[in-house]
Amino acid sequence: DQQVKQNSPSLSVQEGRISILNCDYTNSMFDYFLWYKKYPAEGPTFLISISSIKDKNEDGRFTVFLNKSAKHLSLHIVPSQPGDSAVYFCAASSIIQGAQKLVFGQGTRLTINP
Amino acid sequence: SQTIHQWPATLVQPVGSPLSLECTVEGTSNPNLYWYRQAAGRGLQLLFYSVGIGQISSEVPQNLSASRPQDRQFILSSKKLLLSDSGFYLCAWSVLREVHFGNGTRLTVT
Repeated sequence: DQQVKQNSPSLSVQEGRISILNCDYTNSMFDYFLWYKKYPAEGPTFLISISSIKDKNEDGRFTVFLNKSAKHLSLHIVPSQPGDSAVYFCAASSIIQGAQKLVFGQGTRLTINP
Repeated sequence: SQTIHQWPATLVQPVGSPLSLECTVEGTSNPNLYWYRQAAGRGLQLLFYSVGIGQISSEVPQNLSASRPQDRQFILSSKKLLLSDSGFYLCAWSVLREVHFGNGTRLTVT
């Protein structure tokens, strides 16, 4: 049972355009959501997060939108740059026994074309 | 600022051999610590987490164990490795709601 899904394994976007990465979740207990960027042979790098009490969070070129009723979140990158090419993971979180437990999606490989 | 160190970066071990991966965090006190694994073609899966020294919780039954001998040290171990233990192992820490990862260890069991 996959609780967090990223249905697009890959996405190709032209430099300067908007990249939109999507993520769906099934468990209503998740109350915090995070996006990570990952390069090969490296650990994921935290990008941006959003609490379930909000519907939007913005940080520079990155904006995360949360639609709780649809159990859907998305990451917008604008304008897209070649350095944004990487695998992006969304993660849904809940606090269990004092620990932050993340459930990850399968990832979306974003390629920015010059 | 906080940093996380994880070593070694790569490891090739024969089936049946022991394993010890170490992770240390600097610049923070009493963090929550985690071990994740990414198997080939799959997402990251939580293996263990710890909210304090000596406190370990396991998420999935497996051939591995974890220990936290000091506040900022987290160790992943196995007495006898299996082929299925191959993967990319990541240590992580959190304070408040953000979780930050180390650079990982690529383990290949042959």
